[in-house]
Amino acid sequence: NAGVMQNPRHLVRRRGQEARLRCSPMKGHSHVYWYRQLPEEGLKFMVYLQKENIIDESGMPKERFSAEFPKEGPSILRIQQVVRGDSAAYFCASSPRGQPNRSGNTIYFGEGSWLTVV
Amino acid sequence: AQKITQTQPGMFVQEKEAVTLDCTYDTSDQSYGLFWYKQPSSGEMIFLIYQGSYDEQNATEGRYSLNFQKARKSANLVISASQLGDSAMYFCALGKYNNNDMRFGAGTRLTVKP
Repeated sequence: NAGVMQNPRHLVRRRGQEARLRCSPMKGHSHVYWYRQLPEEGLKFMVYLQKENIIDESGMPKERFSAEFPKEGPSILRIQQVVRGDSAAYFCASSPRGQPNRSGNTIYFGEGSWLTVV
Repeated sequence: AQKITQTQPGMFVQEKEAVTLDCTYDTSDQSYGLFWYKQPSSGEMIFLIYQGSYDEQNATEGRYSLNFQKARKSANLVISASQLGDSAMYFCALGKYNNNDMRFGAGTRLTVKP
């Protein structure tokens, strides 16, 4: 069962380093979403991408954060010059192209990547 | 703008009893979907149940049912016959019908007592 795959599951970075989180969507899914979950908080939408396009990045911090979803390969969430406040769980999710289905066209989540900045 | 609210940070329920987790939402869209996800301590997000805004009947999936009251803009999750394995964080989410975006509530931590 090839679900949404995220790696690494756990990542430790020192302040000022770069963090790269990868997400491979479910087979056949061309929509990818990134969410951030801070300790004791809910999920916060960050960015929504389709292949080679950023559709909605209204939840992305203006600096240091970027995301891409190239034609080939996984989606990448990049955080430059990490700070302690970036420590969080980052969830990727994917969905099939736009059509409603019995399950409500829900999005499917990966298991998350936990970033710790020391 | 879409907004989703879960007012219960934590809930306790006795094993085998039913529990209701509250969720209210605000949206100007006519077509939308409401979702519930479970996040156990292991961290993954597990889809539980979906309700479309045009669905006339409340959604049910096994022990999960969604008490959808459109006029009140509420979509409460009911878990019947609680099990110890139900202890987890539960998130309500609101999505546009074409699923371009989803907004999540802050979550409710459910603890099932033996």
